[in-house]
Amino acid sequence: GIQVEQSPPDLILQEGANSTLRCNFSDSVNNLQWFHQNPWGQLINLFYIPSGTKQNGRLSATTVATERYSLLYISSSQTTDSGVYFCAVDDYKLSFGAGTTVTVRA
Amino acid sequence: DTAVSQTPKYLVTQMGNDKSIKCEQNLGHDTMYWYKQDSKKFLKIMFSYNNKELIINETVPNRFSPKSPDKAHLNLHINSLELGDSAVYFCASSQEIGGGQGYTFGSGTRLTVV
Repeated sequence: GIQVEQSPPDLILQEGANSTLRCNFSDSVNNLQWFHQNPWGQLINLFYIPSGTKQNGRLSATTVATERYSLLYISSSQTTDSGVYFCAVDDYKLSFGAGTTVTVRA
Repeated sequence: DTAVSQTPKYLVTQMGNDKSIKCEQNLGHDTMYWYKQDSKKFLKIMFSYNNKELIINETVPNRFSPKSPDKAHLNLHINSLELGDSAVYFCASSQEIGGGQGYTFGSGTRLTVV
């Protein structure tokens, strides 16, 4: 199956800082999706981004499908951004990376 | 109005029992899935159904049996529960096989086997 690697595994940020999360995948995929799992365990769609760049408020994502990676940018981080960020690639089912645990400190 | 709803949210049960988790989606999607999240937060697909037909069955013990009475519902029945079945189970749906415009997840069912 497709391998999905996320880095870094853990990230501690001071409120207001910017950060970049990376997702590498081992093969061509139909699509890629970023999720945020909040401290209550809910999986929230952030981006559906097979290629190109998308922005939603302080978050943006870029996928370069030909080079098999995607980046998630968090700008001006807030404590509510804490949680686990998952990248998942879609090959007729979602294959998830191990996630990046983000802790934003006030 | 919840798009993908799972019940119950929490389930605590003894080893050896049989339990079911229910999932319903009101998005009009054709495809539904069950994912398992283990204690290390790793998410892995278990099953997928498209229009009530089983499409994916990933090396899951046959104690787990999904049932899809119609394309809006996908239930998960687990027989003879074991300690290792403790996990969070997520239901999800997508417009078509392969995601289409992306996947929508339910809020999860935390199963604890004691």
